[in-house]
Amino acid sequence: ETGVTQTPRHLVMGMTNKKSLKCEQHLGHNAMYWYKQSAKKPLELMFVYNFKEQTENNSVPSRFSPECPNSSHLFLHLHTLQPEDSALYLCASSQVAHTAGEQFFGPGTRLTVL
Amino acid sequence: AQTVTQSQPEMSVQEAETVTLSCTYDTSENNYYLFWYKQPPSRQMILVIRQEAYKQQNATENRFSVNFQKAAKSFSLKISDSQLGDTAMYFCAFMGDTNAGKSTFGDGTTLTVKP
Repeated sequence: ETGVTQTPRHLVMGMTNKKSLKCEQHLGHNAMYWYKQSAKKPLELMFVYNFKEQTENNSVPSRFSPECPNSSHLFLHLHTLQPEDSALYLCASSQVAHTAGEQFFGPGTRLTVL
Repeated sequence: AQTVTQSQPEMSVQEAETVTLSCTYDTSENNYYLFWYKQPPSRQMILVIRQEAYKQQNATENRFSVNFQKAAKSFSLKISDSQLGDTAMYFCAFMGDTNAGKSTFGDGTTLTVKP
């Protein structure tokens, strides 16, 4: 595997379900990001992790819970979601956060909340 | 707060022709970085080109070049000799030096290259 991978690629869940999105980067980077991409809004940064520490939470509702066990893996735990949370969730990584480096994106997880 | 505006939601161009995508931004920072990312249909977003604000020379990457006008806060992307594989959504992004790592993206421009 190379680059940034995300699983699952598609997810359909009910509002009472609990699920997790997984991201893995094989680039040796130290920073990882979660973005939300909706049809009606621009790309929204959700969370930033740098060397496993969360450095940015962009006022994201608590029904989204990130976890970064190491620099290569990033999870987004989902619970009690709303239909408006349906979107493409993109993971990205970069060499180090808080420097102006290129971000490498995963293919995304298409989430549908019923 | 920074804002990034892409005023062209959709554009089209004939294969082999040149097209320019516009992007304007607003910031009070003196040093920052600008990016163009490409997101092909159902494929991963990738970086097309990057420009550091302190560099006066416009960045170029093969058929892709930018027209960076710092005073006007404008950062347009020119694609020369358009190819079918250039069909994608293009995002302009801003990253300030004081808040590096936190990118602000524009709404995107959907470009279709027609044969």
